[in-house]
Amino acid sequence: EAGVAQSPRYKIIEKRQSVAFWCNPISGHATLYWYQQILGQGPKLLIQFQNNGVVDDSQLPKDRFSAERLKGVDSTLKIQPAKLEDSAVYLCASSLWPRTEGFNYGYTFGSGTRLTVV
Amino acid sequence: RKEVEQDPGPFNVPEGATVAFNCTYSNSASQSFFWYRQDCRKEPKLLMSVYSSGNEDGRFTAQLNRASQYISLLIRDSKLSDSATYLCVVNPRNQFYFGTGTSLTVIP
Repeated sequence: EAGVAQSPRYKIIEKRQSVAFWCNPISGHATLYWYQQILGQGPKLLIQFQNNGVVDDSQLPKDRFSAERLKGVDSTLKIQPAKLEDSAVYLCASSLWPRTEGFNYGYTFGSGTRLTVV
Repeated sequence: RKEVEQDPGPFNVPEGATVAFNCTYSNSASQSFFWYRQDCRKEPKLLMSVYSSGNEDGRFTAQLNRASQYISLLIRDSKLSDSATYLCVVNPRNQFYFGTGTSLTVIP
């Protein structure tokens, strides 16, 4: 089974520039997540999609971050304009949903995009 | 109050030792619980789910205590390859919350 694909692996930009990340989830996974992981911290959920609809974007800084999942498959996350504090690894994950009673579905992460804002 | 709290460690243990991590959660309605392992500069990978009755996978045992709202991970006979950060994940309201992770280093 192919895993969650993300690109690019690394990105270095100057503050105030724009950047976009791409994610292709595991085939058949209806739910897609974008997480931000700052060095030394656990992943923080930015946005959760169910098919092409947004389930939760309460922690997405909407003044500069946007995400979309057209056709319920691939997703892009954009930052415009970037700030120094956006330096982090951006992880995409996907999972089967809804949860089957009695079985806990975890989810699978992509390898992430490491963003450095200078 | 954070949804999930973990002792960040670090835990430095000799090979062959037994080590345990705990993780507390704040939402009593949480339904699913997991332990993830994250190697340096890698993505988190699912280690095991945590079931109410407790579950074991080789040297790893996970337990859930709903009354006290914590989950635990026990690693027996530690190997050098167990060195990593261990993240607990809690799932209330169809959302997944990660702890900050506990760092483990197994020393020869």
